[in-house]
Amino acid sequence: AQKVTQAQTEISVVEKEDVTLDCVYETRDTTYYLFWYKQPPSGELVFLIRRNSFDEQNEISGRYSWNFQKSTSSFNFTITASQVVDSAVYFCALSVATTGANSKLTFGKGITLSVRP
Amino acid sequence: NAGVMQNPRHLVRRRGQEARLRCSPMKGHSHVYWYRQLPEEGLKFMVYLQKENIIDESGMPKERFSAEFPKEGPSILRIQQVVRGDSAAYFCASSGQRNTEAFFGQGTRLTVV
Repeated sequence: AQKVTQAQTEISVVEKEDVTLDCVYETRDTTYYLFWYKQPPSGELVFLIRRNSFDEQNEISGRYSWNFQKSTSSFNFTITASQVVDSAVYFCALSVATTGANSKLTFGKGITLSVRP
Repeated sequence: NAGVMQNPRHLVRRRGQEARLRCSPMKGHSHVYWYRQLPEEGLKFMVYLQKENIIDESGMPKERFSAEFPKEGPSILRIQQVVRGDSAAYFCASSGQRNTEAFFGQGTRLTVV
């Protein structure tokens, strides 16, 4: 069985601060995929990133960066110079190749990020 | 190029009524996934369907819930005899192939009164 743990439930920062959202996963599969989604107050799910288990390169996209470490089973997400528009719930998710369905996702419980002006 | 369309966006039902949630996948997509987001919880997988077939329903409650994805038309998630505990946001995602990334719709928020 797969499991995703987002130990932080709520984080509050002041605008322009950097913030890191933690994600720890568990799986026995060797081929798997990790995701981050953003859920703004409007409620939709916005895809942010997908990584496969064979690619441990860190990724940067504008103010967003992701640190994937298989040794600690973590896939952490950092927002640099946070903005009010970053306020949302952020979900980390995992899928495994053996299900034959990469979009059968196991989600963490989410982290509510509040960015204050 | 429309994305995944879910309707209605909001649905209110009285206890004991039936709820029907519709999901139109992206054009060309033949794989659909349904997820449920209960208050204060993360999203939970419910069911995975391909056209006219249920592939994986391991997350579906054993009673009152059913799903279909007919050859023509949207996928339907049906909840019979709704109870207050069914109040949640229900999300649909679609993909073009089994192993490609899925795109989420905006969700249907079901409230049972």
